[in-house]
Amino acid sequence: QKEVEQNSGPLSVPEGAIASLNCTYSDRGSQSFFWYRQYSGKSPELIMFIYSNGDKEDGRFTAQLNKASQYVSLLIRDSQPSDSATYLCAVTGIEKLTFGTGTRLTIIP
Amino acid sequence: GAGVSQTPSNKVTEKGKYVELRCDPISGHTALYWYRQSLGQGPEFLIYFQGTGAADDSGLPNDRFFAVRPEGSVSTLKIQRTERGDSAVYLCASSPGPGGEEQFFGPGTRLTVL
Repeated sequence: QKEVEQNSGPLSVPEGAIASLNCTYSDRGSQSFFWYRQYSGKSPELIMFIYSNGDKEDGRFTAQLNKASQYVSLLIRDSQPSDSATYLCAVTGIEKLTFGTGTRLTIIP
Repeated sequence: GAGVSQTPSNKVTEKGKYVELRCDPISGHTALYWYRQSLGQGPEFLIYFQGTGAADDSGLPNDRFFAVRPEGSVSTLKIQRTERGDSAVYLCASSPGPGGEEQFFGPGTRLTVL
């Protein structure tokens, strides 16, 4: 079992709709959870982080964490073509990040 | 500087050669990380520095890989006797401190071993 699992996609979402990205992790000791966005040929860019169970909202983005289910998700409201990218889920216990393989999201105009 | 910088942006070398990749973290960030990303994969952890010391080098694939951070700022990743399988994008990240804080990535160095 991979430590961090994501559906690789591609996930296609119409412009203006909600994109839902999911991630599960295996290490119950994980403390911090991150979502990075990566455009093709570019480095990962941090967009959200969450430490506690529940929801955390930042603009059009909402991160959701359920430690009991070892599940973290990212919702993108009012999806824009500029949101088309690969979204990487990452978790950490203390220091190093463990990444999933990423979900490729395409927003269809 | 404003962000993490890495040089060179691209490096092409021949099998068996030695390469050095440089990372300059965000000013004041004490933690520095090296990751490697292959096509279609997420970044894979290599090594973590807190200050000058390597706090965790468990991700280094073998003894051909070595990294230093002698003054607690700039770090150099060194790869000896490069192999074609070393071809990847090498990413450096920094964070203000340890303990799971947000990490900010540099633009990466694309290494190609012919």
